[in-house]
Amino acid sequence: DQQVKQNSPSLSVQEGRISILNCDYTNSMFDYFLWYKKYPAEGPTFLISISSIKDKNEDGRFTVFLNKSAKHLSLHIVPSQPGDSAVYFCAASAPKNSGGSNYKLTFGKGTLLTVNP
Amino acid sequence: EAQVTQNPRYLITVTGKKLTVTCSQNMNHEYMSWYRQDPGLGLRQIYYSMNVEVTDKGDVPEGYKVSRKEKRNFPLILESPSPNQTSLYFCASSSYRDPKNEQFFGPGTRLTVL
Repeated sequence: DQQVKQNSPSLSVQEGRISILNCDYTNSMFDYFLWYKKYPAEGPTFLISISSIKDKNEDGRFTVFLNKSAKHLSLHIVPSQPGDSAVYFCAASAPKNSGGSNYKLTFGKGTLLTVNP
Repeated sequence: EAQVTQNPRYLITVTGKKLTVTCSQNMNHEYMSWYRQDPGLGLRQIYYSMNVEVTDKGDVPEGYKVSRKEKRNFPLILESPSPNQTSLYFCASSSYRDPKNEQFFGPGTRLTVL
């Protein structure tokens, strides 16, 4: 049972345009969401996160939107740059008192973003 | 430099030959975890540790062991590796004090079991 789903295996955009990466989740106990970026031959690196008490978090070119009623979040990259080409993972965690752990992350399968010059 | 290191980075072994993949972090993080990444499956958690001498199973613990005798180290042990454990392995660590709940990942260990 996949609790975090990234339904698009890949996405291709032009440099300077907006990239939108989507993520859906099924576990209503998830209360913290993170996006990681992964280049080949490297470990994932943290990009941006959002708590379930917010619906938007912004950091430079990166904005994450959370729609709790739809159990959906998205990562917007504006403007997209060729260096953004990587695999993007969505991850979620549940609080300990719900049977989860604030520190156990459940990852999606990832979306390969290609930004063309 | 704050980092998570893993050794070895690449390993080819044969079925049944015990091996250990080491993981070390220099950030004084309480939490450490092991993941494996497989094509089409994303990152799946194997084991995690909330602190020294405290470990627990993740989603795919079968065939693996861990120990946390020191805060900085969290080795992953495969007592009798099998071909289905061929994968890319990542160690990660994080601090309870980090409000972003960010986990720092090592560079990965690519394991092939023949």
